[in-house]
Amino acid sequence: GENVEQHPSTLSVQEGDSAVIKCTYSDSASNYFPWYKQELGKRPQLIIDIRSNVGEKKDQRIAVTLNKTAKHFSLHITETQPEDSAVYFCAAIATDSWGKLQFGAGTQVVVTP
Amino acid sequence: NAGVMQNPRHLVRRRGQEARLRCSPMKGHSHVYWYRQLPEEGLKFMVYLQKENIIDESGMPKERFSAEFPKEGPSILRIQQVVRGDSAAYFCASSPAKGTAENTIYFGEGSWLTVV
Repeated sequence: GENVEQHPSTLSVQEGDSAVIKCTYSDSASNYFPWYKQELGKRPQLIIDIRSNVGEKKDQRIAVTLNKTAKHFSLHITETQPEDSAVYFCAAIATDSWGKLQFGAGTQVVVTP
Repeated sequence: NAGVMQNPRHLVRRRGQEARLRCSPMKGHSHVYWYRQLPEEGLKFMVYLQKENIIDESGMPKERFSAEFPKEGPSILRIQQVVRGDSAAYFCASSPAKGTAENTIYFGEGSWLTVV
């Protein structure tokens, strides 16, 4: 089955700096890679996703890159703000396993003013 | 358009009692998924259901846990004879269909179960 590894487990950045979170996956059949942001006591909220036919996707200060050959994908947050502080999860799934998202262990991001 | 609705949001049960968690998918969604999140961990897939069918229950513990999605009404995750290790956040998610490019999986607000 799919195995997703996520690094780092914690990330402290100064406000205005960039944050990068990296994930690797094992199943070459995985073709959809969402990223979720979870604040304490809240639900995971989809912030961006990428499909395997695309190498990069950007939405304002958030971007995701995918390297299918190396089986890794990354989340980039630029110009970080205190409200970006949360736990971020990457996930991977193959369309024939739809709904069975395999999550990474999460990255606790702390943005200090 | 209401999102995925879960209730109760918080539930406290004594060891040995039963816990029932309910989930109504987003309007127009026919696929429901349950995930469990233990404290300070990621989400783990439990079960995937469509109306009146369990499609994939490979993540469900073998005993005490069951799930259903009846023709009418919400999906229910049932935990019998709860133990302290069942304390977790249980998230329901839904999607409109399976495996299409437009599909996105949306999570509900979660049900936090505490076993005392």
